[in-house]
Amino acid sequence: KAGVTQTPRYLIKTRGQQVTLSCSPISGHRSVSWYQQTPGQGLQFLFEYFSETQRNKGNFPGRFSGRQFSNSRSEMNVSTLELGDSALYLCASSLAAPDTQYFGPGTRLTVL
Amino acid sequence: AQSVTQLGSHVSVSEGALVLLRCNYSSSVPPYLFWYVQYPNQGLQLLLKYTTGATLVKGINGFEAEFKKSETSFHLTKPSAHMSDAAEYFCAVSDQGGSEKLVFGKGTKLTVNP
Repeated sequence: KAGVTQTPRYLIKTRGQQVTLSCSPISGHRSVSWYQQTPGQGLQFLFEYFSETQRNKGNFPGRFSGRQFSNSRSEMNVSTLELGDSALYLCASSLAAPDTQYFGPGTRLTVL
Repeated sequence: AQSVTQLGSHVSVSEGALVLLRCNYSSSVPPYLFWYVQYPNQGLQLLLKYTTGATLVKGINGFEAEFKKSETSFHLTKPSAHMSDAAEYFCAVSDQGGSEKLVFGKGTKLTVNP
């Protein structure tokens, strides 16, 4: 079974731009969660989607948004990028809550 | 609110020595507890998890952890370290209410010396 895939793996953007990251969950998994990983703040929960509905949201500004499609694929969007948004963004999928979350390799976003 | 504390941001052991990575949690409800490992430039890989039942949990690659409710701890151990165990290890907690939100510790970077 293929694992969680994330595209692109690396991104370089400039301040003020917006970016969209994509996540394809393991086949059959309906829950997708997003996390931000930075050296200073560590791993922080962004949001979780299940059956196209956002069920849970972390403490991030409204510039961070996401969505889930009917095939369970998910995208997250960050608008008006700031230098502090530079991070590894990890996507995880699971069958349903509560269940083990399986992580993708991440998208490394650099904001210049 | 839940929280996780990992004691020691860096741990160094010799190859063949015992590995002990400490994790203490805070949760107002019965927790689910996880240990994940992250190798450089990769995502997180699940080592083991505790949900309910047996408090000693065995995971992959020879790792195990024991849930001690009285001590609110979930320490990770491996009897004999291998060079390939060098990585960063994260302890995480979620609640049993059905939330998928994982709260992570800050991580412990394990170095294995030959």
